[in-house]
Amino acid sequence: AQSVTQLGSHVSVSEGALVLLRCNYSSSVPPYLFWYVQYPNQGLQLLLKYTSAATLVKGINGFEAEFKKSETSFHLTKPSAHMSDAAEYFCAVSDRGGGADGLTFGKGTHLIIQP
Amino acid sequence: NAGVMQNPRHLVRRRGQEARLRCSPMKGHSHVYWYRQLPEEGLKFMVYLQKENIIDESGMPKERFSAEFPKEGPSILRIQQVVRGDSAAYFCASSPRRGENTEAFFGQGTRLTVV
Repeated sequence: AQSVTQLGSHVSVSEGALVLLRCNYSSSVPPYLFWYVQYPNQGLQLLLKYTSAATLVKGINGFEAEFKKSETSFHLTKPSAHMSDAAEYFCAVSDRGGGADGLTFGKGTHLIIQP
Repeated sequence: NAGVMQNPRHLVRRRGQEARLRCSPMKGHSHVYWYRQLPEEGLKFMVYLQKENIIDESGMPKERFSAEFPKEGPSILRIQQVVRGDSAAYFCASSPRRGENTEAFFGQGTRLTVV
């Protein structure tokens, strides 16, 4: 069975500050890991995904995430927050590949950007 | 190329009525996935379909819920005799294929309210 834990339902940072959103997972097989962003009243947009290639994954909008097997973590970071980054962020895990088959999502982290 | 289209965006049903949610995948995509998002929760996988076939329905409730993806036309998620607990956002995603080197795109969701 797979599971995802996102620490902090709400994270608040100042504009220009480092963004760090935490995600820990459990999986009985080598996982595929994803970060999605959801803007208000929108669908989910893929930020980045890990598929067993490089452990440091770069995504869109300046975000990146590092897969750490020993810590079972896949934290999302961005060096400098922008007001447009305010949204809900979801971490997800799958053992079935890069599509949307059988994804297990975390409960989400609401990112608030303070001016 | 239009994205994944879901309609209606908002649907209100009285208890005991039927709800029909439609999803038109992106052009060229033959794989469709349905997810449900309950308030304050992450998305939960429901069903995965490929044209005319149900590939994985492990997340579908055993009763009242059904899904189809006919050869022509959109995928339909059908909920019979809705109850208050069915109130949620239902998201559809599509991908061109299965496997590691693919990406799924999500629609904007249908928000179902049962009164």
